[in-house]
Amino acid sequence: KTQVEQSPQSLVVRQGENCVLQCNYSVTPDNHLRWFKQDTGKGLVSLTVLVDQKDKTSNGRYSATLDKDAKHSTLHITATLLDDTATYICVVGDRGSALGRLHFGAGTQLIVIP
Amino acid sequence: EAAVTQSPRNKVAVTGGKVTLSCNQTNNHNNMYWYRQDTGHGLRLIHYSYGAGSTEKGDIPDGYKASRPSQENFSLILELATPSQTSVYFCASGVTGTANTEVFFGKGTRLTVV
Repeated sequence: KTQVEQSPQSLVVRQGENCVLQCNYSVTPDNHLRWFKQDTGKGLVSLTVLVDQKDKTSNGRYSATLDKDAKHSTLHITATLLDDTATYICVVGDRGSALGRLHFGAGTQLIVIP
Repeated sequence: EAAVTQSPRNKVAVTGGKVTLSCNQTNNHNNMYWYRQDTGHGLRLIHYSYGAGSTEKGDIPDGYKASRPSQENFSLILELATPSQTSVYFCASGVTGTANTEVFFGKGTRLTVV
C-alpha cells in the first residue's frame, strides 16, 4: 500500500503565479519529511527538510509546512519561473539514523508555461 | 560539494545477460542505496549498505545483487537481466546517525532490457 500520497499528480501554472503541492502520508514513525526537485532526466535535489511536530521552512521562493498530527505537508512555490518545471517528490524518513527507511511519493509534475 | 556519480548513464542489455551498474561517492558517507524509479511509482529501494563489505536487502531485491567493496563504491548487479528490469536506477549516499539523515542522489542510469 502506498504510504506517501502526493496531489495533484500534475499541475500547469503560468509563469509568475504561485502554486501549492500537497503530501499526505501514513508512515509511522515519521522522523522527518523532505521535498526534492527532480528535473527531467536528472537526479533528485533536496529543497528543504522538516523535522518538528509542526514545522515551517523557507528557502527562497520555496516554503514548506509539516503537521505531524495530520501527517500532512505542503510545498509552496512563489512567483514561479520556467525553470521550476520539474517533478517534486515528497519523502518521509521513518528514523533519524541509518536504521530507518525513506518512503517516496510518486511526485507532482509541475509545468510552468510563459 | 557532495557528489554521487553513476555509470553508465544509459545501457541497453539483452535478456539473460549480466548487467553491472556502478556508483561512486566522494562524500565519505557510510550509507549507500540503490533505487529504481518507474512511472507512477515512488522510488523503490532495491539494496542498501551501511559501509564497506555490507549489503542489505531493500523492498524489491529479487533479481538483483549488490556489492560494496569500499566506502566509495556500491554496485548493483543483474545476473540475468529481464525486460521487467527496464527502469531508471538511482544511487544515493547518506549520513549515519544524524537527526535528519542527509541524502544525495546520482543522476540516474536508464537501463533498457530487450
